[in-house]
Amino acid sequence: AQRVTQPEKLLSVFKGAPVELKCNYSYSGSPELFWYVQYSRQRLQLLLRHISRESIKGFTADLNKGETSFHLKKPFAQEEDSAMYYCALVGVVGFNKFYFGSGTKLNVKP
Amino acid sequence: NAGVTQTPKFQVLKTGQSMTLQCAQDMNHEYMSWYRQDPGMGLRLIHYSVGAGITDQGEVPNGYNVSRSTTEDFPLRLLSAAPSQTSVYFCASSSVAYNSPLHFGNGTRLTVT
Repeated sequence: AQRVTQPEKLLSVFKGAPVELKCNYSYSGSPELFWYVQYSRQRLQLLLRHISRESIKGFTADLNKGETSFHLKKPFAQEEDSAMYYCALVGVVGFNKFYFGSGTKLNVKP
Repeated sequence: NAGVTQTPKFQVLKTGQSMTLQCAQDMNHEYMSWYRQDPGMGLRLIHYSVGAGITDQGEVPNGYNVSRSTTEDFPLRLLSAAPSQTSVYFCASSSVAYNSPLHFGNGTRLTVT
């Protein structure tokens, strides 16, 4: 069965410190992985997706099929990065049926 | 540039009452879905639709009904509200094209007393 696990409910770092938000998944196939972000009082929005291999707002994420992980990283955290982050999986077959992790709240302290 | 619009933003119901959460999108997306967001549980899929006249159940469908009479609208009905349905509800839509991202509404915060 498909499952997305984000082991950390809360991650607190100081401004300028590196950040890594963990995401592990289980899926019997080749899933597509995404990171979504929800800033305070805003709607969820797409941050990045693995197929694009892009860096958005300094964040990157590499899909590691061997470890079934898709960790989100940023070398130097900024206060404006404080938000709720969700890792999500969509199976290739399933009409964009997304499965979300439980989310990690990132708190960047000044 | 409205995107996905949800109404109402807030709602308080008494146990046993019914109501409909509205969702509309103006992006001509075939796929629409409803999620509930609960602390520590993330987003769980309630129902989804891949086009007008087609709906299917997600992970937590019990207590909710949906219909899709038009491409634009995908209302979520609570037939007899229960305290366990206290949550934040998000509507999301996307193209059914491969790897298309979800576009979310602003959410509806529902409290059932």
